[in-house]
Amino acid sequence: EDKVVQSPLSLVVHEGDTVTLNCSYEVTNFRSLLWYKQEKKAPTFLFMLTSSGIEKKSGRLSSILDKKELFSILNITATQTGDSAVYLCAVCGATNKLIFGTGTLLAVQP
Amino acid sequence: DTAVSQTPKYLVTQMGNDKSIKCEQNLGHDTMYWYKQDSKKFLKIMFSYNNKELIINETVPNRFSPKSPDKAHLNLHINSLELGDSAVYFCASSQGYAGNEQYFGPGTRLTVT
Repeated sequence: EDKVVQSPLSLVVHEGDTVTLNCSYEVTNFRSLLWYKQEKKAPTFLFMLTSSGIEKKSGRLSSILDKKELFSILNITATQTGDSAVYLCAVCGATNKLIFGTGTLLAVQP
Repeated sequence: DTAVSQTPKYLVTQMGNDKSIKCEQNLGHDTMYWYKQDSKKFLKIMFSYNNKELIINETVPNRFSPKSPDKAHLNLHINSLELGDSAVYFCASSQGYAGNEQYFGPGTRLTVT
């Protein structure tokens, strides 16, 4: 069965810190891995990764995929209080369904 | 210019009632989805339609019936509501369905009393 495991479950940091969020997965016929940020409402799309070793970057956020070791990381540098959210990782395989992890709750303190 | 919209945002109803949630997207996407997010914030796919055809139908009670009148709309009707149906229901859309990025609506918080 396809599975996504995220770690840590929760994290508290101070503004300016750098954080790394982890996502490991098991999926049949991997198609893509996606990262979302969920604040109070809808998950908002961050990145989609399909190839190993190619970093995707958007401002202070970046992500990379390792298809051999079956994991991805999401990095956030110089964290701000506005980065506080649940970060969700999802993978898509042969079923064409997005399978979500339980998320990492990030709290950035001033 | 909301991309994916849902109505209503909140729904409080009693057990046994029937209710519907509506979703519309103006992104020109051909695939739409319903997800359920439970109290532990776990997000799980329920249904997916591609060009108005049902392509994903997870093991959900048949009290839940989706309907897609056209590519831009996907509705969810729930019969005989139960306490366990209380959750946030998200609609999403994408272009294609093979692992492409999905864009989510604001969610409908359903509370069954």
